[in-house]
Amino acid sequence: DVKVTQSSRYLVKRTGEKVFLECVQDMDHENMFWYRQDPGLGLRLIYFSYDVKMKEKGDIPEGYSVSREKKERFSLILESASTNQTSMYLCASSLYITGTNNEQFFGPGTRLTVL
Amino acid sequence: DAKTTQPPSMDCAEGRAANLPCNHSTISGNEYVYWYRQIHSQGPQYIIHGLKNNETNEMASLIITEDRKSSTLILPHATLRDTAVYYCIVRSSGTYKYIFGTGTRLKVLA
Repeated sequence: DVKVTQSSRYLVKRTGEKVFLECVQDMDHENMFWYRQDPGLGLRLIYFSYDVKMKEKGDIPEGYSVSREKKERFSLILESASTNQTSMYLCASSLYITGTNNEQFFGPGTRLTVL
Repeated sequence: DAKTTQPPSMDCAEGRAANLPCNHSTISGNEYVYWYRQIHSQGPQYIIHGLKNNETNEMASLIITEDRKSSTLILPHATLRDTAVYYCIVRSSGTYKYIFGTGTRLKVLA
């Protein structure tokens, strides 16, 4: 089974802090994704990566950056956390990015609160 | 991607089949139907997907109507652990994007 793990389930940070969210997958997937989930807004894509050191902006990249130095690890960075970044952050991975078997497998999520 | 419509909530007795409907009347020829579920405070879990034929795996069955305008996810013997929000998503094979709607909140009752 695909296993996607995230470094923390719950995180509390202060406004202005730099925040790192880590995600690791163990299935040698090429593609990894970061989403945030907010009530009434569904899942929104922040960034995705289709290879080591390669990244593409999603729908809401402002205020975030990402790093993918190794295939299995994809990090989301909040350069200067703000209260409107309080959310559930979800990491996902997939073997293919398009095609018929491109289902994404999600981690358990990190609930981030910015005070 | 085509829009989907699902009932906001459903109840099902434990041990019975749970049938979750989804309407996707504007689906186009290259769009697949995916189902995910999300148990409270966890990440979404992939269940099954299909194009036009019915599909079955160890978790569920997916029945797609002949005109592909609607589908039904069937959990054959629902358990309490199947209580979750179930999302029906229509997605083109040429895109990586998922659009999660509000889903159906399924409550399995003891």
